[in-house]
Amino acid sequence: EVQLVESGGGVVQPGRSLRLSCAASGFTFDDYVMHWVRQPPGKGLQWVSGISWNNADIDYADSVKGRFTISRDNAKNSLYLQMSSLRPEDTALYYCVKGRHGFPPSYFDYWGRGTLVTVSS
Amino acid sequence: DIQMTQSPSNLSASVGDRVTITCRASQNIDSWLAWYQQKPGRAPELLIYKASSLESGVPSRFSGSGSGTEFSLIINSLQSDDFATYYCQHYKTKSATFGQGTRVEIK
Repeated sequence: EVQLVESGGGVVQPGRSLRLSCAASGFTFDDYVMHWVRQPPGKGLQWVSGISWNNADIDYADSVKGRFTISRDNAKNSLYLQMSSLRPEDTALYYCVKGRHGFPPSYFDYWGRGTLVTVSS
Repeated sequence: DIQMTQSPSNLSASVGDRVTITCRASQNIDSWLAWYQQKPGRAPELLIYKASSLESGVPSRFSGSGSGTEFSLIINSLQSDDFATYYCQHYKTKSATFGQGTRVEIK
């Protein structure tokens, strides 16, 4: 059974940093592209970033480019999102998401339950 | 960036109804479109990929159609379990974009 478990969310002041983690199991992690997708409270879905199986292909939404860094450790079956210079508009539930294929672009076949990030002073 | 626009934003329907949700892309995305269902407090779930391919385990009352810039999600004989919010998503380019969502409510 595919499982994606996010951690690292919390309340953080504007301008500060936070690192999200995602532990994956139930599939061959290094065969697939992985993504972060976020959902502000009461709003729709926003793709944040994606990373290919071999780290060769990385992309970001314009709204986070230069502030967020996605990475993965295939030996640990883990995905990460380093978020810096956080803004109130980054407040959202952040989902760790598995892509159907090894390289982007892709659609998303498994989602974690999410970790909540609140940016507030 | 490719923009995705869903209509309607909200929809009231009864059990047994046939429901159609439309998604329009701001430019040609061929058939690179997926549909998701999200229930309150839950993560989204994949329903349809490549515009019309039904994900394994999804009931056959769900179907998708379209190509290019105009797409539809059809739910035949709406069930009580189908009341949820539905999102389309393109994957023509690496920067995936979702529609704003369509909330299907009980009439």
